Amino acid sequence: GQNIDQPTEMTATEGAIVQINCTYQTSGFNGLFWYQQHAGEAPTFLSYNVLDGLEEKGRFSSFLSRSKGYSYLLLKELQMKDSASYLCAVRGYSNDYKLSFGAGTTVTVRA
Amino acid sequence: EPEVTQTPSHQVTQMGQEVILRCVPISNHLYFYWYRQILGQKVEFLVSFYNNEISEKSEIFDDQFSVERPDGSNFTLKIRSTKLEDSAMYFCASSEGWPSGGTGELFFGEGSRLTVL
Repeated sequence: GQNIDQPTEMTATEGAIVQINCTYQTSGFNGLFWYQQHAGEAPTFLSYNVLDGLEEKGRFSSFLSRSKGYSYLLLKELQMKDSASYLCAVRGYSNDYKLSFGAGTTVTVRA
Repeated sequence: EPEVTQTPSHQVTQMGQEVILRCVPISNHLYFYWYRQILGQKVEFLVSFYNNEISEKSEIFDDQFSVERPDGSNFTLKIRSTKLEDSAMYFCASSEGWPSGGTGELFFGEGSRLTVL
């Protein structure tokens, strides 16, 4: 099975940078995903890492270290609309490509 | 842009009643999923479906739950006799799988909020 840990809450100021860490233990690994979820809405895909290193996508970057079972999502130039829950999810070895999600990190951006 | 659609957006039911939640996955996707999220908790896997049969189901997906793809477009989740603890947001998702050069991410619908009284 999968065990995925991430902090419950983080607060940051508009324009700042926030880093959300995720550690995972899994019986097999086929990729790590970050999703954004605004309150009462569906999760939406942000980023994907399957190899070690940094993937950059505009204001969002995600890093993966497979040997450490560790990822982070970096949000730069924070905007008020970035206030949301950020979900770390792992795809293990399965025939159905399903994702297992962490509990999510609620980020609050303050003016 | 293609999207996953779900109906109803909100359903209120009495304990013991049957509920059917409906989903239309993205048309060229092959893998379909139901997840649920109890208020304030994490997104939990219920079941995956591929090639007209269940691929995998979680411990939550007991005999009260069933899924069906009755035609070429709809994918349904049925709860036979609802319990109070079934109150949650139910998300349908679909995926291409893991195509070469792609991520195989899951695309989620907007969810169906089920309230059991």
